[in-house]
Amino acid sequence: GAGVSQSPSNKVTEKGKDVELRCDPISGHTALYWYRQRLGQGLEFLIYFQGNSAPDKSGLPSDRFSAERTGESVSTLTIQRTQQEDSAVYLCASSPGQPNQPQHFGDGTRLSIL
Amino acid sequence: AQTVTQSQPEMSVQEAETVTLSCTYDTSENNYYLFWYKQPPSRQMILVIRQEAYKQQNATENRFSVNFQKAAKSFSLKISDSQLGDTAMYFCAFMSYNAGNMLTFGGGTRLMVKP
Repeated sequence: GAGVSQSPSNKVTEKGKDVELRCDPISGHTALYWYRQRLGQGLEFLIYFQGNSAPDKSGLPSDRFSAERTGESVSTLTIQRTQQEDSAVYLCASSPGQPNQPQHFGDGTRLSIL
Repeated sequence: AQTVTQSQPEMSVQEAETVTLSCTYDTSENNYYLFWYKQPPSRQMILVIRQEAYKQQNATENRFSVNFQKAAKSFSLKISDSQLGDTAMYFCAFMSYNAGNMLTFGGGTRLMVKP
């Protein structure tokens, strides 16, 4: 596709429910990143994929958070037993994977936990 | 671990004037990249400008330029001839050359361009 696509754009759910957020990277980009942006703050790194493997999961805030990537394409970020502090915008980015190549961001999913 | 600090939560500038946004960072690495991203209300992060640490020459992109001071670990963004469309959040970001290429972001500066 032309850019990084994320769905849904907005998600409202009740505390305790599980949610899945989807990211479609730019075709051919081998690297994929997930970030979280709380209201009025900068982006926090969550996890990144090189191909289908995740060398660095250090940013995942708890074991309720997990992510996978298949076919070196689509990635899903899953949050189990959501809590109110999980409310944020979740941004996905992709890049060709070389250090000198910038990351291209999607529009994010705004997650609201009631 | 790297940290990025933006000490100006909010700034404003009159249309057509020049404004400088500050950014400092902390790292023990010698090879890295620095970026400025713009985030308008639409939420999308838009790359404004980037700088390779090994280059002494400051990067320039049209009305946007940086003042990169490696020894001081400072990376400020200058916007010349400010336009109303420049109103947005601006984030400074650091990327290590060797650590998986994830970005470490500062807390952001909200820039308002006034007519």
